[in-house]
Amino acid sequence: DTEVTQTPKHLVMGMTNKKSLKCEQHMGHRAMYWYKQKAKKPPELMFVYSYEKLSINESVPSRFSPECPNSSLLNLHLHALQPEDSALYLCASSQDISSGGPYEQFFGPGTRLTVL
Amino acid sequence: AQSVAQPEDQVNVAEGNPLTVKCTYSVSGNPYLFWYVQYPNRGLQFLLKYITGDNLVKGSYGFEAEFNKSQTSFHLKKPSALVSDSALYFCAVRDFNTNAGKSTFGDGTTLTVKP
Repeated sequence: DTEVTQTPKHLVMGMTNKKSLKCEQHMGHRAMYWYKQKAKKPPELMFVYSYEKLSINESVPSRFSPECPNSSLLNLHLHALQPEDSALYLCASSQDISSGGPYEQFFGPGTRLTVL
Repeated sequence: AQSVAQPEDQVNVAEGNPLTVKCTYSVSGNPYLFWYVQYPNRGLQFLLKYITGDNLVKGSYGFEAEFNKSQTSFHLKKPSALVSDSALYFCAVRDFNTNAGKSTFGDGTTLTVKP
């Protein structure tokens, strides 16, 4: 199985709502990522988990809260978002990130988030 | 620091013609270089990577890329373009010695292949 799955595909939420994005992989990868992508722009790294521990936080606002319950799952909890947070949220995984290894990332299809 | 540049926002080619999507990079150490493709409303899909060794790298769907250290380039090529190759292409770089987990992506190049 070389697939990264994400749910939901689409999400519309108000600025006072709390919602969660989910990501799952069964490739045995030990690194998982969250990216934010605006239309026709490159993905922007938000968080990296390595061996279920948060390794990188790219100064993301606290209204985004990541969680890695186990090696296969990655969540992104959303609270009090702003309209400018509307974007495609991509999850990715790779074999590892230790020693700067040359591991390509496998991306999910993304969750299209709209904040009203 | 690491950076990557894709100098062309848009590349247009006719079906059956060769295509080139350009990428140049800057790293302080040795680079790992990647090409990804993104179809509309989809995630990024890995095409190929350069680690070390042979400068010509072959990847998925008939794509290949040539690593040129002196020109710090990693251009993506295909001998004969298909309409289905039309998509957004991203080059990415990671410094071998640093930045574990952090790849820097170029701004992307939209490839349009016309019948």
